[in-house]
Amino acid sequence: NAGVTQTPKFRVLKTGQSMTLLCAQDMNHEYMYWYRQDPGMGLRLIHYSVGEGTTAKGEVPDGYNVSRLKKQNFLLGLESAAPSQTSVYFCASILGGEVSEQFFGPGTRLTVL
Amino acid sequence: TQLLEQSPQFLSIQEGENLTVYCNSSSVFSSLQWYRQEPGEGPVLLVTVVTGGEVKKLKRLTFQFGDARKDSSLHITAAQTGDTGLYLCAGGSVYNFNKFYFGSGTKLNVKP
Repeated sequence: NAGVTQTPKFRVLKTGQSMTLLCAQDMNHEYMYWYRQDPGMGLRLIHYSVGEGTTAKGEVPDGYNVSRLKKQNFLLGLESAAPSQTSVYFCASILGGEVSEQFFGPGTRLTVL
Repeated sequence: TQLLEQSPQFLSIQEGENLTVYCNSSSVFSSLQWYRQEPGEGPVLLVTVVTGGEVKKLKRLTFQFGDARKDSSLHITAAQTGDTGLYLCAGGSVYNFNKFYFGSGTKLNVKP
């Protein structure tokens, strides 16, 4: 099992450009999450999904969109990148039911110039 | 505004010393998790506590959940250099789509 994988690992964008971050999990988990991590702020929830075809907003959703067309994949899109979106992005998944352990991917370091 | 406040933010100690990290909130959580994160990697779960007053031990690490389920602590006995990392607490609920709110973290450096 690869667990949770994220692509790309690093990316540099110019203000106004768009990009999509891909998260994939091979554990048949129901729940998937996108977080951003900034210095001194911990992890903040951007969007999440409780199953295939569902998405919902988290704490800091503005400027991001997501899709979960397949159970194993959760995509995070930035339509028009801004310098404030410079961050490290983590994807996580949870099996569901009574099990709440989050499995995290290795992260994507995004810089917006 | 952080839902969960962690203290201290930074901790630098010598190998063999004991330490305690605190995680406090004004909100009640049905479960509280502690994670450790190494540089360049995602957080890895250490423990989940779900019952008020619960104490869990993981080798030299002792985790406690407050009676009111608003706060938690992590105590490390005889710290080792391998304990160096960022420690994060997260409060949430399996009854709220497993959404978890993270503290800002405690960066621990254990010197040899």
